[in-house]
Amino acid sequence: DTEVTQTPKHLVMGMTNKKSLKCEQHMGHRAMYWYKQKAKKPPELMFVYSYEKLSINESVPSRFSPECPNSSLLNLHLHALQPEDSALYLCASSQDGGSGTEAFFGQGTRLTVV
Amino acid sequence: GESVGLHLPTLSVQEGDNSIINCAYSNSASDYFIWYKQESGKGPQFIIDIRSNMDKRQGQRVTVLLNKTVKHLSLQIAATQPGDSAVYFCAENASFQKLVFGTGTRLLVSP
Repeated sequence: DTEVTQTPKHLVMGMTNKKSLKCEQHMGHRAMYWYKQKAKKPPELMFVYSYEKLSINESVPSRFSPECPNSSLLNLHLHALQPEDSALYLCASSQDGGSGTEAFFGQGTRLTVV
Repeated sequence: GESVGLHLPTLSVQEGDNSIINCAYSNSASDYFIWYKQESGKGPQFIIDIRSNMDKRQGQRVTVLLNKTVKHLSLQIAATQPGDSAVYFCAENASFQKLVFGTGTRLLVSP
């Protein structure tokens, strides 16, 4: 199983809503990532979890809150988002995040903030 | 041909041609590089990787070339097919656990 599964595939939320994006992998990977991708742009790293601990936060606003409940799951909690936060949110995982380990990506959640 | 500007750089080729997609990376300390293919509405899909101690690596119909002197990476696709149409990103392992993507190139393959 080389899949990273993200739910939901699409999400529309208001600026006062609270929602969560979910990501799951069963490859035994110990590094998991959240990326944000705007149209016609490359994915931009947001967060990295390594062995269930947050290891990288790329100065992401606090309205995005990641959580790693266990080694297979990664959540991204969303609260008080702005319309400019609308984007494709991608989850990825890799063996341990060290150099030389490829990252596998999910299909993404298309988020629209209204 | 290639075009750059406000939109993604685009490479248009005919089916059966060989395609070459180029990428300049920024960090001379990067020691691992990956090419990803992203189709519309999907996540990036791994194509091929290369470590900095190599200058060439071949896969099925694809070859990656690495020139560390000028910090340049290229992806060659042999006998390009319509199914190869997608956006291609190079990514560099800029530091531990940090995979940074290049700007991307759209490949359009005409039958």
